Amino acid sequence: DTGVSQNPRHKITKRGQNVTFRCDPISEHNRLYWYRQTLGQGPEFLTYFQNEAQLEKSRLLSDRFSAERPKGSFSTLEIQRTEQGDSAMYLCASSASISHAGANVLTFGAGSRLTVL
Amino acid sequence: GQQLNQSPQSMFIQEGEDVSMNCTSSSIFNTWLWYKQDPGEGPVLLIALYKAGELTSNGRLTAQFGITRKDSFLNISASIPSDVGIYFCAHSGAGSYQLTFGKGTKLSVIP
Repeated sequence: DTGVSQNPRHKITKRGQNVTFRCDPISEHNRLYWYRQTLGQGPEFLTYFQNEAQLEKSRLLSDRFSAERPKGSFSTLEIQRTEQGDSAMYLCASSASISHAGANVLTFGAGSRLTVL
Repeated sequence: GQQLNQSPQSMFIQEGEDVSMNCTSSSIFNTWLWYKQDPGEGPVLLIALYKAGELTSNGRLTAQFGITRKDSFLNISASIPSDVGIYFCAHSGAGSYQLTFGKGTKLSVIP
């Protein structure tokens, strides 16, 4: 078990460019989540997959954002036409379908830090 | 979404001191989770609490799920420099798989 892996760890881009982040969850976890974290704030939920199905999306996920999990394993988060306000840490997390006592305990990756110039 | 109020926002303590922080909400929840985040890394789970009144320890860390189910406390005993970081409380609401996080308590330990 290598934990949740995210790539790239850092990305600097110019405003208007597209960026894509990849997340490889813990192999036996069928749930995968994307969160965004800005300075001084806690992580904020963006979207959630169970296997390949995207089941929840936050209103924070504008139409410039798209997430996929085509085979129910790794996931990608793409941001099109980036804006300076998109600068943040993008965190991926995964969880098993049956957690202890029914609670949903997430294991996070190290994150992908995006800086939009 | 539900608001979690975490306090204090930040604290500076001497190495060896005990630390206490808390998290409150206006709503009732079934689970409280405490995470720690080091600079440039993702949050790491410290303690998970599953029922009201539960008191759980993990080494020098102790957390309690408030009886009203609207609050939780995290205590760190005999702090050491590696305790530095941001501590987040989080919960999941009924019927939802997303976690809602507080804004965090930033802990600094002075050697």
